Amino acid sequence: DVVMTQSPLSLPVTLGQPASISCRSSQSLVYSDGNIYLSWFQQRPGQSPRRLIYKLSDRDSGVPDRFSGSGSGTDFTLRITRVEADDVGLYYCMQGKTWPYTFGQGTKLEIK
Amino acid sequence: QVHLEQSGAEVKKPGASVKVSCKASGYTFTSHYMHWVRQAPGEGLELMGIINPSSGITSSAQKFEGRLTMTRDTSTSTFYMELSSLKSEDTAVYYCARETLRGDFDDWGQGTLVTVSS
Repeated sequence: DVVMTQSPLSLPVTLGQPASISCRSSQSLVYSDGNIYLSWFQQRPGQSPRRLIYKLSDRDSGVPDRFSGSGSGTDFTLRITRVEADDVGLYYCMQGKTWPYTFGQGTKLEIK
Repeated sequence: QVHLEQSGAEVKKPGASVKVSCKASGYTFTSHYMHWVRQAPGEGLELMGIINPSSGITSSAQKFEGRLTMTRDTSTSTFYMELSSLKSEDTAVYYCARETLRGDFDDWGQGTLVTVSS
């Protein structure tokens, strides 16, 4: 299985400051069609996960443009330009290149 | 508007089975694969398996092979996940999640808590 490794696992951030989460895969996520099937999900406390980013950098229509995804090959990043209180929760990356799809361990974002 | 409505919380004894449902609405039922994902208390997300709603063909993650059964009822647009030989480690919230593109889970159910306790 493809192993997904996130860092940091805990991310204290001051309101209004930027934040970034790293996700590394144990093998390249470039699919045969040239796309990278890497998604990011947010899970607020007590809620179901919610899609933020799919196919590396495509943002869900309801997601603020403060969130962006980037990367290539085996290294990926989720960036938040200005953290708001509503961003508190867990963030997961997930690869969709190879079945079984696999998640990172999760990164807990909290307000400092 | 897509909506996935899951069945309510369950309490089971070790060795028993549990069956969780996920009723889909707001889209063509057979057009999107459905996944089952679980989350143990304080833990991360774990993919369990996938079902093709058109053919009924399923694939389980190796960890769950032999214990996990996924089915669907096209007449009621409902997916089912049955996990057998339950252990305390199976205590978790179980989610259904709709896939659009590879690895793109655009909609999730509200989750079903399954507690396994003697």
